[in-house]
Amino acid sequence: GIQVEQSPPDLILQEGANSTLRCNFSDSVNNLQWFHQNPWGQLINLFYIPSGTKQNGRLSATTVATERYSLLYISSSQTTDSGVYFCAVESPDSNYQLIWGAGTKLIIKP
Amino acid sequence: DAGVIQSPRHEVTEMGQEVTLRCKPISGHNSLFWYRQTMMRGLELLIYFNNNVPIDDSGMPEDRFSAKMPNASFSTLKIQPSEPRDSAVYFCASSLVFSGNTIYFGEGSWLTVV
Repeated sequence: GIQVEQSPPDLILQEGANSTLRCNFSDSVNNLQWFHQNPWGQLINLFYIPSGTKQNGRLSATTVATERYSLLYISSSQTTDSGVYFCAVESPDSNYQLIWGAGTKLIIKP
Repeated sequence: DAGVIQSPRHEVTEMGQEVTLRCKPISGHNSLFWYRQTMMRGLELLIYFNNNVPIDDSGMPEDRFSAKMPNASFSTLKIQPSEPRDSAVYFCASSLVFSGNTIYFGEGSWLTVV
C-alpha cells in the first residue's frame, strides 16, 4: 500500500520563526489533507490540497502531485501553533480510507 | 455550524463495564468515521458509514466493539465488555461525501478503562 512519510519528526522553534513541514507519499493520490492536532488533542483540518497551492493566513500548503510531495509552510510562528501536524492521503486503491503519516511534532517557544 | 459533536468528552470506567460513545455529525454530511488514537498505534480507522449504512468495519478490533448509525444525525460506538487496552481517544469524523472531500473531526472522547 501507499506509504506516507513526514519530516522532520520533531521541530523546536522560537516564536516568530518560519517553518516548512514535508510530506512524501509513495504513489498517486486523489486526496491529501493537512491536520493540526493541538496540545489538547483536538484535530483540526488545515487544508484539503490534492494539488496546487492554498493559503490561509500565516499558513500555506503546496502539493506537487507529479513529484509526490506536499509542503506546509508556517510563517511568523506563534505558541498556539504548537502541536502535531499530520498529513493524510487517499489513494485510488485505498478508496475512502485516509493513510496517515506519523506526524511532525512542533514546539514553538515564547 | 456546530461541528462534529461527541460525548462524553472524558470517561473513566472499570474493566468489564459497557461503554457507549456518541457522535452527532455535521448536518448535511453523509459520511461518518470512527477513529481510535493511541500513542502506540497512532490513528486507526475503526468503521465507516455512508448514508447511515456501515460500509467497512474491518478496523473494529474484535466482537466487543459495535457501532450503529440509526439516522443521519447520530451514531454510537459501544464497547462491551471494556478492557484496559481499550483506553484511547476515540474520534468521530464526518465529511460531505465519502471520498475526495474534507473530513472534520470531533473533539474526541478520552476513555480510560481501569
